Amino acid sequence: QQQVKQSPQSLIVQKGGISIINCAYENTAFDYFPWYQQFPGKGPALLIAIRPDVSEKKEGRFTISFNKSAKQFSLHIMDSQPGDSATYFCAASGAQSNTGKLIFGQGTTLQVKP
Amino acid sequence: GAVVSQHPSWVICKSGTSVKIECRSLDFQATTMFWYRQFPKQSLMLMATSNEGSKATYEQGVEKDKFLINHASLTLSTLTVTSAHPEDSSFYICSAGKQGALTEAFFGQGTRLTVV
Repeated sequence: QQQVKQSPQSLIVQKGGISIINCAYENTAFDYFPWYQQFPGKGPALLIAIRPDVSEKKEGRFTISFNKSAKQFSLHIMDSQPGDSATYFCAASGAQSNTGKLIFGQGTTLQVKP
Repeated sequence: GAVVSQHPSWVICKSGTSVKIECRSLDFQATTMFWYRQFPKQSLMLMATSNEGSKATYEQGVEKDKFLINHASLTLSTLTVTSAHPEDSSFYICSAGKQGALTEAFFGQGTRLTVV
């Protein structure tokens, strides 16, 4: 129940295309769903996050879509650029642990080809 | 945002020695910090929750005596890998929760530990 399942494991997209990464969870107590971007040898950086009270959140080229009934959420990267090539992690946490404790998905390695 | 600084960025040590890694929240106070371990091409696995002024909470399977955690102040947590072995070689990352309307986690830059 604590797992967050992420797919695909790897993704190759042409420059200008849309990158889509999906995550699913089981624990209905989760109420905070962030996405992190990680470059090799660096720590993860918070990209965008959503709470279950909204179905979509957009920040620049990055959009989270959230389906509460299906317990799924996804990251869409519009107009993907080579600089977006990185590993992306979805995560989840619950109100009961309002301390920043996160459960991470398995990660998706994104390669954007010029 | 908020800044979490981790030191050192990389360290090489000999088998049997101990290594200390520091995690500092530079512009906010963190009563709780977290330590993760990441193997190449894998996800972050939570090792322990570091609580200021009290004992750390370790995840199942993590050896408390091997990975010593101290959270002496609201801005500093340390992870000491004791009697290090080559299998302890990994990327260690800390995070700190910045409390607000909701608690966001900010990560340090990570520490690459190589045990030879």
